[in-house]
Amino acid sequence: DAKTTQPPSMDCAEGRAANLPCNHSTISGNEYVYWYRQIHSQGPQYIIHGLKNNETNEMASLIITEDRKSSTLILPHATLRDTAVYYCVNSGGSARQLTFGSGTQLTVLP
Amino acid sequence: EPEVTQTPSHQVTQMGQEVILRCVPISNHLYFYWYRQILGQKVEFLVSFYNNEISEKSEIFDDQFSVERPDGSNFTLKIRSTKLEDSAMYFCASRYRDTANYGYTFGSGTRLTVV
Repeated sequence: DAKTTQPPSMDCAEGRAANLPCNHSTISGNEYVYWYRQIHSQGPQYIIHGLKNNETNEMASLIITEDRKSSTLILPHATLRDTAVYYCVNSGGSARQLTFGSGTQLTVLP
Repeated sequence: EPEVTQTPSHQVTQMGQEVILRCVPISNHLYFYWYRQILGQKVEFLVSFYNNEISEKSEIFDDQFSVERPDGSNFTLKIRSTKLEDSAMYFCASRYRDTANYGYTFGSGTRLTVV
């Protein structure tokens, strides 16, 4: 089973920041936290990943707590096209496979 | 931006028939994967492949499944005798390195419908 816990759904107003939480309390020291999203039934799209430090790229920011037991994905200015299922994933002890949970359905409202 | 390409986008097949799902990974990637997603369910790992060998496989990947890299660009998933429960979206993915610090690039998927 997935080692991460996420709320099943969230709403966000267009133009506002979307903050998506994830609990990964059993993450081990060498596992990265990855975020992917899936729009409709398309293939998962990589967003960002991190180990200990906060990370930022052109899509999002990732805030990881100091104890690494949880993280937050931040979409700074959500648009309607950001409506998707967002998955917080770790490598499940093996770098070769990802174990997806149920994710968070983010709905960006106009 | 480089893409993982999957064909066909939708495949309908009769139960018991063989199907081959095709993928063209990103050209400089060395590690290849298949995942599947039954409608309304989670994305599940099937198999990983490197250097013409299976690296890991899940319990789902039984003897009915096989993978192959027949040439320098294609990566295929074969289901020998399809069952109704094989109906799902099948996603191919690739990455340059097989370490935790490298993200996957997924294709858009093939929707397999077994009737």
